[in-house]
Amino acid sequence: GAGVSQSPSNKVTEKGKDVELRCDPISGHTALYWYRQRLGQGLEFLIYFQGNSAPDKSGLPSDRFSAERTGESVSTLTIQRTQQEDSAVYLCASSLVAPATGRDSPLHFGNGTRLTVT
Amino acid sequence: QQQVKQSPQSLIVQKGGIPIINCAYENTAFDYFPWYQQFPGKGPALLIAIRPDVSEKKEGRFTISFNKSAKQFSLHIMDSQPGDSATYFCAASNTGNQFYFGTGTSLTVIP
Repeated sequence: GAGVSQSPSNKVTEKGKDVELRCDPISGHTALYWYRQRLGQGLEFLIYFQGNSAPDKSGLPSDRFSAERTGESVSTLTIQRTQQEDSAVYLCASSLVAPATGRDSPLHFGNGTRLTVT
Repeated sequence: QQQVKQSPQSLIVQKGGIPIINCAYENTAFDYFPWYQQFPGKGPALLIAIRPDVSEKKEGRFTISFNKSAKQFSLHIMDSQPGDSATYFCAASNTGNQFYFGTGTSLTVIP
């Protein structure tokens, strides 16, 4: 079946512009995550959506960052007034919390959006 | 505060060697411990995962050893191959909550 799809795969923008990154999770996956990965670095948690619960926004680095999710489908990560330090790969992942066991299934990642702010 | 600590940052082994990557955690509520493999330009992909009710899990050449009392777990790659050269991330989660990732280990397997 289709995996997690992210678009665009690459985005070059000028400092100060707003950008929108899109994530299409695996159908039926209730949980959706956004991570940021700077060159050669680890995964920095940004935000987590789980079903109809309030999202966990504790990882968003500033109020220039926001994210939305429509039900259990598409999510968009918006970065306003981009700065050069926002340059990174933005990874989206989804997972299914099995209702019977309450146990997580693994995260399935997209290939990311490489954002370059010039 | 880093929820999951991973070491080493980088590792170079000869083909056929057994690289070992270690992770440690503090939160005893964590109940799921996956390892991810990432190739350049790709998102991380699940390699193998373990739950705290077992001390070891093996899938092919990849083995997780889990020490619940020490709150540590490690990945061993048997008979490593150049194609295993990648970045490896450990992670931990508490069911229904977010995943916490280690900082990654860059593995190079020399032919």
